[in-house]
Amino acid sequence: SAVISQKPSRDICQRGTSLTIQCQVDSQVTMMFWYRQQPGQSLTLIATANQGSEATYESGFVIDKFPISRPNLTFSTLTVSNMSPEDSSIYLCSVEWGTSGSAQTQYFGPGTRLLVL
Amino acid sequence: SQKIEQNSEALNIQEGKTATLTCNYTNYSPAYLQWYRQDPGRGPVFLLLIRENEKEKRKERLKVTFDTTLKQSLFHITASQPADSATYLCALPRRDDKIIFGKGTRLHILP
Repeated sequence: SAVISQKPSRDICQRGTSLTIQCQVDSQVTMMFWYRQQPGQSLTLIATANQGSEATYESGFVIDKFPISRPNLTFSTLTVSNMSPEDSSIYLCSVEWGTSGSAQTQYFGPGTRLLVL
Repeated sequence: SQKIEQNSEALNIQEGKTATLTCNYTNYSPAYLQWYRQDPGRGPVFLLLIRENEKEKRKERLKVTFDTTLKQSLFHITASQPADSATYLCALPRRDDKIIFGKGTRLHILP
């Protein structure tokens, strides 16, 4: 299994500012994923971060708002830019850890709880 | 697009009984389906994966079934304990293999 850490674990930010969330994995992985989980909602995939290429964003999420870096196979950052109260959420990074064949399971970090005032 | 439906109401079960959670999906049947557990303030933790050609999968007190005709998976916890109280998420792959999650069902095991 993979062990994933995230920093910060929580933060309170003012609207209009930006926050960068770090995700560190204890093993080299090809793909890392960033999810958002708003209160009472399911996990929503923001983007997929591949090392050495641009992140792939899901519908409704754009690079200007959520720039992502993936400098190596064990680390990624997600920035939440120009924040508004609607960005208050838990942000989670995850990695795939294969079972067999094409079936993949995901390991998640502990999440970053963000509150925007 | 694929949608996952889980009972959004909390489920209260007496300790020692079997808890059964339901996951329904629309559209195409996925090659596999997964269940995760999420505790407050934590990320989801993978529990079980069941493939489309498997009717049932077991792991200790957990059992998962997968009915591709009904487009449904059932998740059972037998001999439930208060420590089993958590939110349980159903997840399955989209056609591009990215994983999508249901909203989860909150389970309370009452002592």
